[in-house]
Amino acid sequence: NAGVTQTPKFRILKIGQSMTLQCTQDMNHNYMYWYRQDPGMGLKLIYYSVGAGITDKGEVPNGYNVSRSTTEDFPLRLELAAPSQTSVYFCASSFPGQGTSYEQYFGPGTRLTVT
Amino acid sequence: DAKTTQPTSMDCAEGRAANLPCNHSTISGNEYVYWYRQIHSQGPQYIIHGLKNNETNEMASLIITEDRKSSTLILPHATLRDTAVYYCIDNSGSARQLTFGSGTQLTVLP
Repeated sequence: NAGVTQTPKFRILKIGQSMTLQCTQDMNHNYMYWYRQDPGMGLKLIYYSVGAGITDKGEVPNGYNVSRSTTEDFPLRLELAAPSQTSVYFCASSFPGQGTSYEQYFGPGTRLTVT
Repeated sequence: DAKTTQPTSMDCAEGRAANLPCNHSTISGNEYVYWYRQIHSQGPQYIIHGLKNNETNEMASLIITEDRKSSTLILPHATLRDTAVYYCIDNSGSARQLTFGSGTQLTVLP
């Protein structure tokens, strides 16, 4: 299993440009999440999904959109990039199986700079 | 906001046990406490979780106080590769989303 993969690894955007951060998992996990991490801070939840066709906002959703058409993919869309969106973006997935374990598996991150 | 509080930083000598405390006095009765760590620039890595009982796995041990208001993560024989930011987190929410605080920067010294 590749686990959670994210592309691209790095990206520089100009203000007002748009882009899609890709996230794919091959573990058949129902739940997927997008977090952002600013320098020296903990991760903040942007959006999450509990299954294909179902998404919901997290703590910091403004300026972002998501879709979940398949179990495997959970892309994050930035429509009008702003300098405040300069951050490291992490995608994660988990499987709410039997019992209580909701361990999340994280991707390697996408480092985005908006100038 | 995170429901947990942790010291900002700690040092530990290589080969010694690292004991990382966490206060979660407002955690509700059915919420688990999770520990993750983040080695510089990488995605967070799950370590261990627990509800009431002490837990142990190949990476660490988790000691939870009887009143569940605090817990301690123990790395029994810290190595230089254990230098990381350690997060103590509750996983409340309908999708068990994680609410990260600032964590504890553990530095293992040679």
